[in-house]
Amino acid sequence: QVQLVESGGGLVKPGGSLRLSCAASGFTFSDYYMSWIRQAPGKGLEWVSYISNSGSAIYYADSVKGRFTISRDNAKNSLYLQMNSLRAEDTAMYYCARTNLVIYAFDIWGQGTMVTVSS
Amino acid sequence: DIQMTQSPSSLSASVGDRVTITCRASQSISRYLNWYQQKPGRAPKLLIYTASSLQSGVPSTFSGSGSGTDFTLTISSLQPEDFATYYCQQSYSTPQTFGQGTKLEIK
Repeated sequence: QVQLVESGGGLVKPGGSLRLSCAASGFTFSDYYMSWIRQAPGKGLEWVSYISNSGSAIYYADSVKGRFTISRDNAKNSLYLQMNSLRAEDTAMYYCARTNLVIYAFDIWGQGTMVTVSS
Repeated sequence: DIQMTQSPSSLSASVGDRVTITCRASQSISRYLNWYQQKPGRAPKLLIYTASSLQSGVPSTFSGSGSGTDFTLTISSLQPEDFATYYCQQSYSTPQTFGQGTKLEIK
């Protein structure tokens, strides 16, 4: 079945780095844009970044620009988010989501991976 | 950035009730408006896309309407499994922004 599974979250100190991964299955990964969306504890949803199917187009939220890098490996059906210079306000559940450009929506979501930035 | 404002922020209702949630965009977004449902500890789930199209597998008790800046999500007859938080999201321009959420609770 169509599935996204995130991994790589954990506890990191302010200023530290973390790399999140998202493994896709059940669909042709290389046909789809992909996004990262986060949710701070008890808060709403915030779009973080997206990457085109080929990787040639990338966009970031202003809150993470210059610190986070999105990438993908279509041969491995995987999406990544390299997070550097982490701040307390980056603490959140991070979801990867399939970005369906036919319906202009995030139609498949992973279960999320929790990132906690604390000393 | 386009701001999305939902109302109400929370709502108490009973099983069988008809419920409407409103979402307003800070500028026209045509019909590029989606609705998601999120239950505690779970990922969001797409319910409605492009304002009024029902995602596959979503019960027909859910419906959406609107265009431009004003949109609504309606649940025609609340079921126990519908008690959750609902988010609108605009896909008209980047950054794609979400409303703050509407928590639907059991009365």
